[in-house]
Amino acid sequence: AQSVTQLDSQVPVFEEAPVELRCNYSSSVSVYLFWYVQYPNQGLQLLLKYLSGSTLVKGINGFEAEFNKSQTSFHLRKPSVHISDTAEYFCALGPSGTYKYIFGTGTRLKVLA
Amino acid sequence: DAGVIQSPRHEVTEMGQEVTLRCKPISGHNSLFWYRQTMMRGLELLIYFNNNVPIDDSGMPEDRFSAKMPNASFSTLKIQPSEPRDSAVYFCASSSLAGGYNEQFFGPGTRLTVL
Repeated sequence: AQSVTQLDSQVPVFEEAPVELRCNYSSSVSVYLFWYVQYPNQGLQLLLKYLSGSTLVKGINGFEAEFNKSQTSFHLRKPSVHISDTAEYFCALGPSGTYKYIFGTGTRLKVLA
Repeated sequence: DAGVIQSPRHEVTEMGQEVTLRCKPISGHNSLFWYRQTMMRGLELLIYFNNNVPIDDSGMPEDRFSAKMPNASFSTLKIQPSEPRDSAVYFCASSSLAGGYNEQFFGPGTRLTVL
């Protein structure tokens, strides 16, 4: 069975500070990994995705994530956050050969002035 | 492209009433997904269509829920009769190919409140 765990439900951080949102996964088959962002009262928007190749993936808005197969992690990072990054972030797993995404429970990032 | 379009954006109804949510996927996408988001259960996949055919409806909670996709540009999710526990945000998403490696594009959602 596949699963995604986002360990932190909420992460407060001051503006211009770095942030890391953690995501761990479990799967017996090869996977594709995604990070989505959801701004208040909006749908989910893709930040970045890992399909294969380089384990460091760069996305929109200055975010990046690193795929670590040995640690089964796909943590999201940004070196300097802005107030506008306040949102909920979802890690998702797409087992290869299937259509289903398995979403984590989300991490609410709150950027403080 | 306008993206995935959902209507209505907000729906308030009384218990027992029929509710119909609508979705227009991105043109050219052949996969369509309906999700439900609640605080308690997070994001749940309700049903998945590929080329207008329902492939997996195992996430549909009860027989009160039904979904159709009469053509490539339109889908509905119907709840009849509605109950307060159906209150949630319902998202429609579309994708260009089946398979976990393809980005799903989400609509803005319909916030349903059943009184």
